[in-house]
Amino acid sequence: GQQVMQIPQYQHVQEGEDFTTYCNSSTTLSNIQWYKQRPGGHPVFLIQLVKSGEVKKQKRLTFQFGEAKKNSSLHITATQTTDVGTYFCAGLGDYKLSFGAGTTVTVRA
Amino acid sequence: DGGITQSPKYLFRKEGQNVTLSCEQNLNHDAMYWYRQDPGQGLRLIYYSQIVNDFQKGDIAEGYSVSREKKESFPLTVTSAQKNPTAFYLCASSSSGPSNQPQHFGDGTRLSIL
Repeated sequence: GQQVMQIPQYQHVQEGEDFTTYCNSSTTLSNIQWYKQRPGGHPVFLIQLVKSGEVKKQKRLTFQFGEAKKNSSLHITATQTTDVGTYFCAGLGDYKLSFGAGTTVTVRA
Repeated sequence: DGGITQSPKYLFRKEGQNVTLSCEQNLNHDAMYWYRQDPGQGLRLIYYSQIVNDFQKGDIAEGYSVSREKKESFPLTVTSAQKNPTAFYLCASSSSGPSNQPQHFGDGTRLSIL
């Protein structure tokens, strides 16, 4: 069945540094969505990528969809304390959205 | 404000007891979902419904049951057959079935065993 793997599971970042989280699927995806869950909260939709090779930016966040539509990445520049939380990718394939296990980000001030 | 309301926020279950988690949405969404979240495992799909009076099993449906009698409501029952029910349960909805529509989540219900 469809599996979405996400790495790393944990990311400890110094404030001001950059980091990237990666998402890989065992099958080709129709699209990929990214969500953010703050500590104690619920997942909130960030963005969706649909086209092969697509790149979208939201301020300091850059999302990329791979050419083969089997992987995606989220890159955050100049990390701030407001970036704390767990970032999930979710891939749509075979009419089902499969979530990765998430990357939990902590920030050292 | 439109949104998804889950209740209760915390729930305790005794051995052999069935419990029902409530999920109500006023977003006029057709599709609704139940996920289970365990530490380090992300979100796993329990059941989903694309339309009233219809629902499908997700990846971990055993020990759970749902109903979709109204568009706004999608309650989840955790039965005594679910041997490890302690988890954070999230309800979500989207305007249409699993597609390119984002999912909107409720605040969740945390279920524990007494």
